[in-house]
Amino acid sequence: GNSVTQMEGPVTLSEEAFLTINCTYTATGYPSLFWYVQYPGEGLQLLLKATKADDKGSNKGFEATYRKETTSFHLEKGSVQVSDSAVYFCALRGNQGGKLIFGQGTELSVKP
Amino acid sequence: GAGVSQSPSNKVTEKGKDVELRCDPISGHTALYWYRQSLGQGLEFLIYFQGNSAPDKSGLPSDRFSAERTGGSVSTLTIQRTQQEDSAVYLCASSFLLGGGRADTQYFGPGTRLTVL
Repeated sequence: GNSVTQMEGPVTLSEEAFLTINCTYTATGYPSLFWYVQYPGEGLQLLLKATKADDKGSNKGFEATYRKETTSFHLEKGSVQVSDSAVYFCALRGNQGGKLIFGQGTELSVKP
Repeated sequence: GAGVSQSPSNKVTEKGKDVELRCDPISGHTALYWYRQSLGQGLEFLIYFQGNSAPDKSGLPSDRFSAERTGGSVSTLTIQRTQQEDSAVYLCASSFLLGGGRADTQYFGPGTRLTVL
């Protein structure tokens, strides 16, 4: 079945550091891929998405590229801020129905 | 516009009692989803509604769990004879449906934190 694997956290970085959170997936067909973010005490928010191979999703300085050849959708940001501290979830959606399959989440802590 | 709303925000109940959790999706969203977020299991899919019917119930963990949706809008998730392992945050999401049964982006509600004592 479909599955998503994320790098384990927590990840602790200093402000302005470069961020990569790895995400790989297993899926049949052509899934859509998502990054959701959960800030402390808040609900899940869509951060970015990509619906086909080689698409790049971007938002708030974050980027991720849908790589079918490596079945990956790694999240990157060139310079993190303290306000980026949150839990990040990679997810995929299959072709039918739309249920999301989530990775286990990666907690990011950015120190000033 | 208004987002997905859920009620109650917190629910504490005793083992063996029944609970009902409510979700109000974004107006016009045909698809509605329930998920569960717990420390041990992460984020798990429970059930998907397309209009008032549920073509995918594969994530419901046992027959103590049921859900319904009426008028293509509000949904209720019911847990009967609650157990301690049911303690989790229950999340609802909704989306438009695109052609061919594909779903658009899902928007999540704030969740209901259920604690079973």
